[in-house]
Amino acid sequence: ETGVTQTPRHLVMGMTNKKSLKCEQHLGHNAMYWYKQSAKKPLELMFVYSLEERVENNSVPSRFSPECPNSSHLFLHLHTLQPEDSALYLCASSQDPGWAEKLFFGSGTQLSVL
Amino acid sequence: QKEVEQNSGPLSVPEGAIASLNCTYSDRGSQSFFWYRQYSGKSPELIMSIYSNGDKEDGRFTAQLNKASQYVSLLIRDSQPSDSATYLCAVNGNKLVFGAGTILRVKS
Repeated sequence: ETGVTQTPRHLVMGMTNKKSLKCEQHLGHNAMYWYKQSAKKPLELMFVYSLEERVENNSVPSRFSPECPNSSHLFLHLHTLQPEDSALYLCASSQDPGWAEKLFFGSGTQLSVL
Repeated sequence: QKEVEQNSGPLSVPEGAIASLNCTYSDRGSQSFFWYRQYSGKSPELIMSIYSNGDKEDGRFTAQLNKASQYVSLLIRDSQPSDSATYLCAVNGNKLVFGAGTILRVKS
């Protein structure tokens, strides 16, 4: 276990559904991230939170809504998704949001949108 | 031009050989460089970081950086079947950018 846990591991949803992805880090880190990983494409940064405040929103459609209630928990709320949103969604944390110094990733949620 | 480019592979090497993974980047101001390993169905894991020109060795892994050529590589000596994975190059300028990864297959 990496210290970053994500649930659920797999999710299948219709385009009209609303669901949420959950991430929890047990490492005492101050920064948390959502990444999208599509087949044969680079990891795409979606959101960055530092001490519960959003510091980066990478032009992500509004159908993805992040929430960070505290420095250990991060959610990604999903609604009216499109089939092209099917991907692996990875949560990560780091000691601080100064980019990339030892990102610790969760196991991801494999999302399929029908 | 992609910000971070990697050959998608697969790169196939026999067990015991040296695997050489390459990465080029476009942002000349990039200051730090990373290699992540991702096993199939698993999350990426940081295995090497390098910040200055030259080589950095850690066990069987050597990272090489040439900022003038905007090139970073990862050498894996004595490759093992357990090294079979996708290797992601990540480059940090004013933001962290990942490459799409190179699939490595080590045949026993």
